[in-house]
Amino acid sequence: GQQLNQSPQSMFIQEGEDVSMNCTSSSIFNTWLWYKQDPGEGPVLLIALYKAGELTSNGRLTAQFGITRKDSFLNISASIPSDVGIYFCAGQRQGSGNTGKLIFGQGTTLQVKP
Amino acid sequence: NAGVTQTPKFRVLKTGQSMTLLCAQDMNHEYMYWYRQDPGMGLRLIHYSVGEGTTAKGEVPDGYNVSRLKKQNFLLGLESAAPSQTSVYFCASSYLLAGAPRQYFGPGTRLLVL
Repeated sequence: GQQLNQSPQSMFIQEGEDVSMNCTSSSIFNTWLWYKQDPGEGPVLLIALYKAGELTSNGRLTAQFGITRKDSFLNISASIPSDVGIYFCAGQRQGSGNTGKLIFGQGTTLQVKP
Repeated sequence: NAGVTQTPKFRVLKTGQSMTLLCAQDMNHEYMYWYRQDPGMGLRLIHYSVGEGTTAKGEVPDGYNVSRLKKQNFLLGLESAAPSQTSVYFCASSYLLAGAPRQYFGPGTRLLVL
């Protein structure tokens, strides 16, 4: 079953505010990915993290690979209306071999009020 | 370069009917995956393939079969559809970067089983 706990489940914020969300697990992961899904579309890859402690940015988005390798964080600065969507964390669990399999969090639904 | 495409986009089935969902990718990726997405449950892996001619079970394989006869195509079959299989189905393909996956998703197939 699900091995990633993503929080919060939903957020309703004012345009211009910063957003933080995170993903935690009891297992060790060697890769963390963050995706965004727009309504009626498939998830789109935002940021990929490959090393513990790694901090990577993509425009207003910044993600970090937790030092314990059991968590990851995504921050969005100065939110805008087009940030609306569902954000998923995904990770490759240590020991999953060369299958490329990912485990997904339940998603964080973000709504931005103009 | 179309990326990952899925056919059909939407389908309504009656209980007991069968159907096949087609996924095609033009990125020459070795790895392909089928997920289902249900509200509040994120993405759950149904079956996956690590190369042409290979398939393996994911987290929720019951009631589904798959085939990967050509590298670029991954087919998902429902032999006898049940209402519990009402969901949105996503296909993804992936390559490994230094052993770490980067999965790219199709637009999804919305399936309603009555």
